[in-house]
Amino acid sequence: SQKIEQNSEALNIQEGKTATLTCNYTNYSPAYLQWYRQDPGRGPVFLLLIRENEKEKRKERLKVTFDTTLKQSLFHITASQPADSATYLCALPTPGGYQKVTFGTGTKLQVIP
Amino acid sequence: NAGVTQTPKFQVLKTGQSMTLQCAQDMNHEYMSWYRQDPGMGLRLIHYSVGAGITDQGEVPNGYNVSRSTTEDFPLRLLSAAPSQTSVYFCASSRPGQGFGAFFGQGTRLTVV
Repeated sequence: SQKIEQNSEALNIQEGKTATLTCNYTNYSPAYLQWYRQDPGRGPVFLLLIRENEKEKRKERLKVTFDTTLKQSLFHITASQPADSATYLCALPTPGGYQKVTFGTGTKLQVIP
Repeated sequence: NAGVTQTPKFQVLKTGQSMTLQCAQDMNHEYMSWYRQDPGMGLRLIHYSVGAGITDQGEVPNGYNVSRSTTEDFPLRLLSAAPSQTSVYFCASSRPGQGFGAFFGQGTRLTVV
């Protein structure tokens, strides 16, 4: 079955540095991958989508890469700010249909002033 | 814009009681889903719907029923609550097609005692 792995350890970085979060997946080649942000007590918020034929996608200070050979996506936040502190989730469509999406467990990012 | 609205926000049930978690969206999205989120487990798909009158099971459907009589509403029914159903429940909606991000409600925190 499909498996998504995100670093369960919290990531602490200094303000102004670039945060890099990893999403690894196994057993399947998804057509796209999504990244979400979740704040405590709130629902996830969609950030970015990258398709299998795209190597890189940018949105403001966010950058996502997608390596289908390594089965890995990297999520970068440049010039990080304390307001970027949150849990970041990656999500993939399940094999056979994009109406079902599987989420990773998320990585908690803490940006230290 | 209201987006995705879930009610109630908090609920305490006794074992064996039944209840319905409400979910409504005003974006005319065809796809709607219910997830539960538990510590260390991430978001797990309970049931989903690709349109009015069409529902299907997700990863953890046992103990839950759904129906979709309108595009806007997608209620989740707990038939006989069990302590194992203590969790935070999220409803989400999205447009059909490949890769559109999901919009999530604010969640319902359910405790079964």
